[in-house]
This record gives sequence, structure tokens and C-alpha cells, in this order.
Amino acid sequence: QSVLTQPPSVSAAPGQKVTISCSGSSSNIGNNYVSWYQQLPGTAPKLLIYDNNKRPSGIPDRFSGSKSGTSATLGITGLQTGDEADYYCGTWDSSLSARVFGGGTKLTVL
Amino acid sequence: QVQLVQSGAEVKKPGASVKVSCKASGYTFTGYYMHWVRQAPGQGLEWMGWINPNSGGTNYAQKFQGWVTMTRDTSISTAYMELSRLRSDDTAVYYCARAYCGGDCYSGGYFDYWGQGTLVTVSS
Repeated sequence: QSVLTQPPSVSAAPGQKVTISCSGSSSNIGNNYVSWYQQLPGTAPKLLIYDNNKRPSGIPDRFSGSKSGTSATLGITGLQTGDEADYYCGTWDSSLSARVFGGGTKLTVL
Repeated sequence: QVQLVQSGAEVKKPGASVKVSCKASGYTFTGYYMHWVRQAPGQGLEWMGWINPNSGGTNYAQKFQGWVTMTRDTSISTAYMELSRLRSDDTAVYYCARAYCGGDCYSGGYFDYWGQGTLVTVSS
């Protein structure tokens, strides 16, 4: 059971928009920055969003992040088949003194 | 460019130990904490801990304390993760990940570069 809660799967058609939620508590998301990672099949995770809503260079603006209270959201617009992957949120948990991740969300582009 | 290159796949028997290496290049090795994250087959990401390559200081997840050892060799810009007393449920892909942290590196930062992963299989 992951400390951060994500939906197991989401799906949408090419060109559409999808959001992935990440729910936590005051000991993690509520008081720490959130980052998001994309893991394409058979590859290592890749940084998509850091500090809640910032994109590293090279990440298209189709990807966005937001945080409100103890929840964070990853948004992807203009879906492409190449976006099919697992997506993970992550942050620090002050109570556990540990980095924590969500359980991951599998995105299917229909 | 930044690269983290990990050692190859390992097959170990239960009770044995495994040591995975992560060679860094393209940046100042001692300037960034190195974390280790594992992923069991079909499962999510599990954080194991970090090492400060500059001081050698470490911080392990409670689950792994007494069981994992993270070290580094600054002369060859390489970090190591050794896991002892292996069990079948330690079968996983082990990743090293560089952490970029602007100030508080104990708890802050994010993983901006990852190694390719090392599959460790524990089987009798």
C-alpha cells in the first residue's frame, strides 16, 4: 500500500486531455514539493515535473503539474500514442523521514 | 551530458549478497546526492536511501536499515549499493538516481537523472 494514492489506470483518445491525481497528507504533499516521473515500458523513470509545476528542459508544455493542499495533479494535453506509460508522483514524507512514491498510474491512449 | 551507467544483471541465491555499481559521468560526482530506488516485477517504485558522495554520509529507509549499505569511490565517480541476506522478494530492478536539491538535500530535491537499472534475481 503506497503512501501516496494514484488511480491505477486512466485512458483517453489521441488528442484529448487527461489528468492523473496524487493524494497524500500534510506530512508529505501538504508540506513538500511534488515531482512526477514517466516510465515507458522497459525503461527507467524519467523526470517530467519538479517542484510541483516546473518542467525540465526538453519536456513539452503538453505536460503540466499543479498542487493544492494535500493533492497534486499531472495534466497531459494533446495525447499521443507515445505517451502510453506508467506515471508516478513522488515527494518527501516528514513523518516517515523517507522519499515516497505513488503506486503509479498506467496511461492508455486508445 | 550526464550519464549514470549501472552494472549488469545478477542472479543470486537466497541468503547471498549483491553489490550494484553506478558510474557517473558528465558532472561533478561529489556535488549531488545519489539515491537508490527499486522496482519489483510489475510493481511501483520503492525508495531505499541515499548517499552523499562528498562526505560519504548515508540515509537509509527504515525498512532497509541494517540490511543495505551504500558507499562510493570518488576517484572513479562510482556509487555502490550492497544488499545482504537476499530473499526471493528482493528480486527487482535496482536504479540509481541523481538528486538535484537546491538547498535541503536531506529531504528535498528531485531525481533528474536515472541509471538504466540493474535486474537482480534471487532464486534457489
